[in-house]
Amino acid sequence: QKEVEQNSGPLSVPEGAIASLNCTYSDRVSQSFFWYRQYSGKSPELIMSIYSNGDKEDGRFTAQLNKASQYVSLLIRDSQPSDSATYLCAVGRDYKLSFGAGTTVTVRA
Amino acid sequence: NAGVTQTPKFRILKIGQSMTLQCTQDMNHNYMYWYRQDPGMGLKLIYYSVGAGITDKGEVPNGYNVSRSTTEDFPLRLELAAPSQTSVYFCASSYTGGVNQPQHFGDGTRLSIL
Repeated sequence: QKEVEQNSGPLSVPEGAIASLNCTYSDRVSQSFFWYRQYSGKSPELIMSIYSNGDKEDGRFTAQLNKASQYVSLLIRDSQPSDSATYLCAVGRDYKLSFGAGTTVTVRA
Repeated sequence: NAGVTQTPKFRILKIGQSMTLQCTQDMNHNYMYWYRQDPGMGLKLIYYSVGAGITDKGEVPNGYNVSRSTTEDFPLRLELAAPSQTSVYFCASSYTGGVNQPQHFGDGTRLSIL
């Protein structure tokens, strides 16, 4: 079992719709959870961090964490063409991160 | 606002050659990391450092070496380059490496071994 698994893409959504990204992790003592956005040919860029169960909202992005189910998700509301990218889920323990393979999102006009 | 700076951005090596990928950060971060990213894959940790003079292996350290003589610099050395080392390499840093500290990435080095 992979440490961090993300729903396989690519995910295609119409402009203005909600994109839903899922991530599960295997290490029960994981302490921190991050979502990075990576445009093609670019480096990962932090967009959300979450540390406790529940929801965290930042603009059009909402991260949800359920430690009992070992599940973290990212919702992108009112999707824009500029949201087209690969989204990486990262799970932290101590001072290291484990990354999922990423989910590629395409927002079609 | 340089952040994390990596050089070179692109490099082509022949099998068996050696090279050093440079990484420097100006944020006074203690923790630094080297990752590789293969097409369609997530990032794999190669080596990391929790401070000057202290380094440790990550998930995929074979074929690489690192050193950390200053807080700012964390070079990655490839000895005897092999085609399997063709990848994009990212350097990252974080302030304390504590559980809630996100990592900040450089722009990456695209390396091809032919």
